[in-house]
Amino acid sequence: EAEVAQSPRYKITEKSQAVAFWCDPISGHATLYWYRQILGQGPELLVQFQDESVVDDSQLPKDRFSAERLKGVDSTLKIQPAELGDSAMYLCASSLLWGGNTEAFFGQGTRLTVV
Amino acid sequence: GENVEQHPSTLSVQEGDSAVIKCTYSDSASNYFPWYKQELGKGPQLIIDIRSNVGEKKDQRIAVTLNKTAKHFSLHITETQPEDSAVYFCAASLNGQFYFGTGTSLTVIP
Repeated sequence: EAEVAQSPRYKITEKSQAVAFWCDPISGHATLYWYRQILGQGPELLVQFQDESVVDDSQLPKDRFSAERLKGVDSTLKIQPAELGDSAMYLCASSLLWGGNTEAFFGQGTRLTVV
Repeated sequence: GENVEQHPSTLSVQEGDSAVIKCTYSDSASNYFPWYKQELGKGPQLIIDIRSNVGEKKDQRIAVTLNKTAKHFSLHITETQPEDSAVYFCAASLNGQFYFGTGTSLTVIP
């Protein structure tokens, strides 16, 4: 069964350091999402791609976060510099089409701890 | 954007009983409503979904109902089992984006 792959599963970093997360969506899925999930809350959208283009990054803290999906396949989310408040689960999801009304599948996430 | 509210935040049921989780949404243009199950340390897993042109959908022990007029939808789990224990999230899709509820922690007591 096709899955969304994320790495690493866990990351501990010191504040002010740089950190990067990688996501490989289900093959053929045009839409890719990065979400942040704070413990005890629902996922919140950081950035959404349609192929290689950013559809929505209005909630992405652009002073420290960046995301790219250069070839419209896999994607990288970077934080530089990391802050204590960035500790959370970072989830990647993909869906076949854009525009809603279609299933989105999540990866296992990257648990980030900033110390 | 869309605002999704979910209740209750915690739910405990005896094994074999039914569990019901309710969500409301604010924007009538939302047209797709998935439910996810999230186990500790894992990503959310899609368990059932419903589109706005359907009022009810069932898959074995789980079912979802949608009332577009009232803008609410519900997840029903019958004959609950210990392995149903997890956090459940509802979501609404609007303009290609998903808006999530705050989650319900379900505990099934053997």
